[in-house]
Order: sequence, then structure tokens, then C-alpha cells
Amino acid sequence: GAGVSQTPSNKVTEKGKYVELRCDPISGHTALYWYRQSLGQGPEFLIYFQGTGAADDSGLPNDRFFAVRPEGSVSTLKIQRTERGDSAVYLCASSSTGRGLTSGANVLTFGAGSRLTVL
Amino acid sequence: AQSVSQHNHHVILSEAASLELGCNYSYGGTVNLFWYVQYPGQHLQLLLKYFSGDPLVKGIKGFEAEFIKSKFSFNLRKPSVQWSDTAEYFCAVKAGGFKTIFGAGTRLFVKA
Repeated sequence: GAGVSQTPSNKVTEKGKYVELRCDPISGHTALYWYRQSLGQGPEFLIYFQGTGAADDSGLPNDRFFAVRPEGSVSTLKIQRTERGDSAVYLCASSSTGRGLTSGANVLTFGAGSRLTVL
Repeated sequence: AQSVSQHNHHVILSEAASLELGCNYSYGGTVNLFWYVQYPGQHLQLLLKYFSGDPLVKGIKGFEAEFIKSKFSFNLRKPSVQWSDTAEYFCAVKAGGFKTIFGAGTRLFVKA
């Protein structure tokens, strides 16, 4: 598509429930990132995919968080047993490549985000 | 670990005033540096970037930033702000790995 698409734009759930957030990156972008942005903070890195594989998941806060990208395009961020502290805007971004400092290849294009509220 | 520090969390200026937003990062090697902007109701977008070469980079809407390697800084400047510059500004660093690390952001409000 023309941009990075995220669904749902808003999700309200109860503590303990399971949530899935979806990201559809720019067509042809092999690198996909998930970030989390809490109120008053900058985006916090969660996980990075290069193709189908998670190349760096060091930002996932705990084992309740998991993400997949089975066909190298759409990605789903999954949160189990949600807690009130998981409330945030979850941002997805894509770029044409990932590792290294090749000029022009490291610009992130962001989606509008999925706002998660855990009651 | 890499980190990015933005000096001001909130800035209020009148139109035509000059702007400088501070950004410092902690990483000793080669870096790519960015400023992203989020206008009200819109998503994050790139304002300008530095990869190599001239340390003074120009971005959209009259913004510029200067990379000073010795100070680990990448400050954002604009000589004369407009009401439409009201937004949140994020400094970001990528240092060869996969992650781009963001600062906490600076909220700029420009009074008409």
C-alpha cells in the first residue's frame, strides 16, 4: 500500500484479556519495527523483523509479548494476559532495509498507531 | 547502551521567534541521526536526517540541524517559527544495529 497501515486504531480491553495488533507495511519494505509509546515518552523499541524472522526482539518487555511476520509482509503483535501498564500507543514502522548505516536506507515510515487501553 | 537525551520537554514561542531544540546521544561510533516530527492528529514523520558528509543538514519547512561529533549533539534549529510548527519533535539515533532509539520528545507550541 501507499503507507503503513495499522489496525485497530483503538482497542479497549479488560485486564487479563488477549490482544492482537496488526501492521501492514509499505509494499516491498523488508524491515518492520514495532515500538511502544507511552504518554509523555518517545517511541520505545520492541522488536525488529528482517523478512520473516525476528532479528532483534530485545525490546519486548516480557514473555506476554510476542510478534510474528509469517510471510514477510503483515505482522501481528500479540499481548497475552494484558495488564493496565500495557496501555500505550503501539507503533509500527517499516523501511527498505535494516542493519547497517547505508545512506537512505534507515528512514522509518510510521503508521498511525494502535491505541491500546487496558481497563 | 545507546541513549538519546532531549533537553527541553516543553517549549513555547511566539511566531517569528527562533528555535533551537537540544539533542545529545551516547554512542562512540558511527551514527545515523534523525529528527522526526508529529503534528497534532498526524503520525510520526521524518523531518531531516544525517548520514555522512556536511554536518549541517537541511530538512523540510526550513528546519536544519547540526551534527557536532565532539559534543555528541544534533540540535535542531529554525530561524523563524510559524504557528504551523506546533508539534512534538523527536531526536533519534541509529548506530549500526537494528534499532533506532528515540528521545523523550519536545512539545513545541507556537503562539500566533
